[in-house]
Amino acid sequence: NAGVTQTPKFRVLKTGQSMTLLCAQDMNHEYMYWYRQDPGMGLRLIHYSVGEGTTAKGEVPDGYNVSRLKKQNFLLGLESAAPSQTSVYFCASRTGTRYEQYFGPGTRLTVT
Amino acid sequence: GENVEQHPSTLSVQEGDSAVIKCTYSDSASNYFPWYKQELGKRPQLIIDIRSNVGEKKDQRIAVTLNKTAKHFSLHITETQPEDSAVYFCAASTFTERFGAGTRLTVKP
Repeated sequence: NAGVTQTPKFRVLKTGQSMTLLCAQDMNHEYMYWYRQDPGMGLRLIHYSVGEGTTAKGEVPDGYNVSRLKKQNFLLGLESAAPSQTSVYFCASRTGTRYEQYFGPGTRLTVT
Repeated sequence: GENVEQHPSTLSVQEGDSAVIKCTYSDSASNYFPWYKQELGKRPQLIIDIRSNVGEKKDQRIAVTLNKTAKHFSLHITETQPEDSAVYFCAASTFTERFGAGTRLTVKP
């Protein structure tokens, strides 16, 4: 099992550009999460999904959109990137019956 | 919403000493409290967790205690080793996890 994978690993965007981050898991997990991590801070929840076709807002959803068209994939979109979105993005997933989250390796995004 | 505070922000100990990191939370509905270790450039790694119906849990050199009445929980690492050096995060969860800001632990040989 690959577990949770994220694509891409690194990306540099110019202000105003758009991009999509892909999270994929092969553990048949129901729940998936997108977090951002800024220097000196813990992870903050952007959006999450409790199942295929469902999404919900987390702590810091502004400027991001998500989609969960397939159970194994959770996409995070930035429609018009801003320097404030420079961060490391982590995806995580878990089953519906256990609390333990499994994290992906992260995507380092820089917006100039 | 939930608010999690974590102290201290940095902690330096000598190898072999104990380290204690403390967190408080605000939402009395929180029922799951994980602790993560994160090394530089790596993903968070779950090291121990505790449910709200348990007061203490131990796994080798690591233990976590929970005081629901006071809404605080703590991580205890005994016999610290240089490889324990990392950033540690606590979190409190009802349905989603809210993280503390992290503690940078340095273990000096």
